[in-house]
Amino acid sequence: GENVEQHPSTLSVQEGDSAVIKCTYSDSASNYFPWYKQELGKRPQLIIDIRSNVGEKKDQRIAVTLNKTAKHFSLHITETQPEDSAVYFCAASSNDYKLSFGAGTTVTVRA
Amino acid sequence: EAGVAQSPRYKIIEKRQSVAFWCNPISGHATLYWYQQILGQGPKLLIQFQNNGVVDDSQLPKDRFSAERLKGVDSTLKIQPAKLEDSAVYLCASSLTGDREQFFGPGTRLTVL
Repeated sequence: GENVEQHPSTLSVQEGDSAVIKCTYSDSASNYFPWYKQELGKRPQLIIDIRSNVGEKKDQRIAVTLNKTAKHFSLHITETQPEDSAVYFCAASSNDYKLSFGAGTTVTVRA
Repeated sequence: EAGVAQSPRYKIIEKRQSVAFWCNPISGHATLYWYQQILGQGPKLLIQFQNNGVVDDSQLPKDRFSAERLKGVDSTLKIQPAKLEDSAVYLCASSLTGDREQFFGPGTRLTVL
């Protein structure tokens, strides 16, 4: 099955700086890569996703890049704000729609 | 639009007891998923339904876990008997048929003592 690895496990950034989280996947058939944000005690919520026919996607301060050859994708958050503090999960799926999640990155934005 | 509903939100039981969780997906979402999220880990898929049929239950520990979605809407997940290692948050998610985006419920936090 698919194996998704996520790094780093924790990330502390100064408010206003950028945060980058990286994930690698093992299954070359994977073609959908969502990122979820989970605040403490709350449900995971989709913040951005990318499909394998696209190399980069942006939504305001958030961007995701995908390198299919190297089988890795990354989340970039610019101009970080305190409300960006949360756990972020990457995931991957193929045409079976089953999501395999990474272990998560705890992001702390220091004021 | 109402989100995915789950109950109870919290449950504490002793090992070897039984427990059941309930999920009501977003109206019109034919695909329903149950995930197990152990503290400090990402969600792990247990079972996937399409309407009232099981699409994939390869990661469901069938000796103690069972799930059903009899009328293709609500779903229940049961554990019998529970073990200490079953302590986790159980998340339900749903999606439209053919749509990649999954919407998650708030989860049920299970503690097995």
